[in-house]
Amino acid sequence: EVQLVESGGGLVKPGRSLRLSCTASGFTFGDYAMSWFRQAPGKGLEWVGFIRKKVYGGTTEYAASVKDRFTMSRDDSKSIAYLQMNSLRTEDTAVYYCTREDGDYVDYWGQGTLVTVSS
Amino acid sequence: DIVMTQTPLSSPVTLGQPASISCRSSESLVHSDGNTYLSWLQQRPGQPPRLLIYKISNRFSGVPDRFSGSGAGTEFTLKISRVEAEDVGVYYCMQASQFPWTFGQGTKVEIK
Repeated sequence: EVQLVESGGGLVKPGRSLRLSCTASGFTFGDYAMSWFRQAPGKGLEWVGFIRKKVYGGTTEYAASVKDRFTMSRDDSKSIAYLQMNSLRTEDTAVYYCTREDGDYVDYWGQGTLVTVSS
Repeated sequence: DIVMTQTPLSSPVTLGQPASISCRSSESLVHSDGNTYLSWLQQRPGQPPRLLIYKISNRFSGVPDRFSGSGAGTEFTLKISRVEAEDVGVYYCMQASQFPWTFGQGTKVEIK
């Protein structure tokens, strides 16, 4: 069974940093690209970023709203994807979801982890 | 960026009756590889999103056949043939043909 478990969320002050982790199980992690999405309280879904699998260079794409502040990485030996979030703003407050990308579509979503940016 | 526009934003439906949601993109979603990466997701209250339909009309594993997707280019539709109580939630269309990936605003399906 495919499972994605996010962790690392919490309350953080504006300008500080936080690193989210996504621990995967039930599939060969290195064979898949991964993405992060977020959902602000009571709002719709927003794509955050995408990391290709290593065979395609493990390169990344980001939404304009997080580019140069957020960095995605992956450790295939541990089946973990990371989202390093720097210079956090109040508007980054959201539930952050980790997802698996199956080439043609995003097929599995984690349960999400809440990040609250507030002074 | 590609703008995705869903209509309606709210859809009260009687149990057992059909429902339909439209999604329009600001430009064609046909990728250079010939595929159209348009998906539909369902988000039940308090739950993460769940994939229903991918590449316009393909039902994901375990999705009931009362859900169907259609369309091409810039116009897409999700249909529920007979709404059941478990279908209550918000439905989103999402395009992954071009970065940044973008979503429609969401359509809330509720029971009358």
